[in-house]
Amino acid sequence: QKEVEQDPGPLSVPEGAIVSLNCTYSNSAFQYFMWYRQYSRKGPELLMYTYSSGNKEDGRFTAQVDKSSKYISLFIRDSQPSDSATYLCAMGGNQGGKLIFGQGTELSVKP
Amino acid sequence: DAGITQSPRHKVTETGTPVTLRCHQTENHRYMYWYRQDPGHGLRLIHYSYGVKDTDKGEVSDGYSVSRSKTEDFLLTLESATSSQTSVYFCAIRPSSYEQYFGPGTRLTVT
Repeated sequence: QKEVEQDPGPLSVPEGAIVSLNCTYSNSAFQYFMWYRQYSRKGPELLMYTYSSGNKEDGRFTAQVDKSSKYISLFIRDSQPSDSATYLCAMGGNQGGKLIFGQGTELSVKP
Repeated sequence: DAGITQSPRHKVTETGTPVTLRCHQTENHRYMYWYRQDPGHGLRLIHYSYGVKDTDKGEVSDGYSVSRSKTEDFLLTLESATSSQTSVYFCAIRPSSYEQYFGPGTRLTVT
């Protein structure tokens, strides 16, 4: 079993939809959680960073962490075609800053 | 722009040849990381560095070595390239806390 599980999709939604992306994990030592966005043939770009449990909002993006369920989510409101990308969750504990990544979810937002 | 460059950006090499990939940062961040990205696996850590001449192994370090003789440069070497090392390689830096920022990637093909 992988430490971090992420549904690879692909996920296709119409423009304006609310998108929910999710990851589950098994290591209770994970304390910080991130979401990256990766456009085709580009490097991952940090979208959201959350330490421990709770919610964090940034514009159309909301990140949620539920440590009791070992479950994290990224919500995208009013999705746009420019949101079409692969979204990667990542998480880690206090071990040299090493991150464990999910395999990524490919999202397509159709106009 | 995280101030990270990677070279070369693309490389095709033959099985058994040595290959060195370079990561250069414009800031003096202590932590640098090398990942590989393959379909179905997300990003996996190869090696990381926590200072000049200070390095440690990641999840998939077999067949790879690294060196860091200057703060700004982190080199990844494949001593004898194999087809299983065909991948996209990303370098990352960690300026503070736990967030990592990625370079543009090197696409390596071993024939």
